[in-house]
Amino acid sequence: GENVEQHPSTLSVQEGDSAVIKCTYSDSASNYFPWYKQELGKRPQLIIDIRSNVGEKKDQRIAVTLNKTAKHFSLHITETQPEDSAVYFCVHSGAGSYQLTFGKGTKLSVIP
Amino acid sequence: DVKVTQSSRYLVKRTGEKVFLECVQDMDHENMFWYRQDPGLGLRLIYFSYDVKMKEKGDIPEGYSVSREKKERFSLILESASTNQTSMYLCASRGRGTGEQYFGPGTRLTVT
Repeated sequence: GENVEQHPSTLSVQEGDSAVIKCTYSDSASNYFPWYKQELGKRPQLIIDIRSNVGEKKDQRIAVTLNKTAKHFSLHITETQPEDSAVYFCVHSGAGSYQLTFGKGTKLSVIP
Repeated sequence: DVKVTQSSRYLVKRTGEKVFLECVQDMDHENMFWYRQDPGLGLRLIYFSYDVKMKEKGDIPEGYSVSREKKERFSLILESASTNQTSMYLCASRGRGTGEQYFGPGTRLTVT
């Protein structure tokens, strides 16, 4: 599948601070960009997604931004809480594609 | 509520054994996927299926095969298990035309 680069691989923040995770992709046909969260010992779950006709989407403390020209998208978490500690995966999918391509993940640790 | 189940949470097999991992979904999803998850490598797609009896290779199909005889069931087969196949295996399903992919709880396979 097409590559997606995700940075950073690990991120530690103090409780209440913001966290930002960035991803770049190469397939210009990609049009769907979800983010998955995987808590320790649990399955990955969708937390937010964005489609290519939208530049930004917010859901309470999390937001995603998409820059199709530059082929990068980001996850922003504000007012972080200990329960935000998890591995986050950026994902993208091309038009008409069955499969999702996952980044390598970012391990976020929120320090109380 | 979507449910994806996997036949075992933990499995220990010996080198050279034939191993079957079963996945069942109850949402009539067309697409089903098998991933393996290793630290620092994220989720890597092994095989996927977009319909009964149809299968497509993912990024790392070597050493694996799959079977989809019924829509709700997707099996991953390790013909002759090797120690480098020790990993967490995640099954997932996704409906046609929808974005969210639902994961099973995972099977941690150890090959000794």
